[in-house]
Amino acid sequence: ELKVEQNPLFLSMQEGKNYTIYCNYSTTSDRLYWYRQDPGKSLESLFVLLSNGAVKQEGRLMASLDTKARLSTLHITAAVHDLSATYFCAVDMINRDDKIIFGKGTRLHILP
Amino acid sequence: DGGITQSPKYLFRKEGQNVTLSCEQNLNHDAMYWYRQDPGQGLRLIYYSQIVNDFQKGDIAEGYSVSREKKESFPLTVTSAQKNPTAFYLCASSISRWSGIGEQYFGPGTRLTVT
Repeated sequence: ELKVEQNPLFLSMQEGKNYTIYCNYSTTSDRLYWYRQDPGKSLESLFVLLSNGAVKQEGRLMASLDTKARLSTLHITAAVHDLSATYFCAVDMINRDDKIIFGKGTRLHILP
Repeated sequence: DGGITQSPKYLFRKEGQNVTLSCEQNLNHDAMYWYRQDPGQGLRLIYYSQIVNDFQKGDIAEGYSVSREKKESFPLTVTSAQKNPTAFYLCASSISRWSGIGEQYFGPGTRLTVT
């Protein structure tokens, strides 16, 4: 059974600092997704990572995928308050139907 | 504009009543999904459908039912058998993995409160 673990689950950080959220998964997969959720809102797609070594960047967020280590990272550079949200990674159950498995989410709070 | 719509946004029901949540998409996606989210928690899969007239149970299907009579629509019924139905319900859709990326697109959600 595919398991997806995110850490940390909660993160409070100062504006201007850098930090990384980690997403580990337990079985082979070559597709990984990052989503953002604002309080009371739905999920918004941030990144789709489709192969080993894939790196995507949007503004202060950069995501990468290492399929050999079964690890994805979401790096935040010079955090700003607007990035406060919950971030989910989700992993494709390769060769098994159309399900993806979500991590529990990382609640990020950026202090002004 | 293409997208996923869910209605209603807020729903209040008395315990013991069945309630149906609507999900419609005009993205021409084959696959559709229902998730439940409790406060401060992640997403749990209730049901999913890869094709019209077919659907599979997810991790927490007990007390829920679905139908997929049209490609665009995937309604979820929360039955009186669901012990703790109060939650935020999210519908999503995706192209079938075999046709494309498989990234899921989410609707705005329905917040159900049962008292």
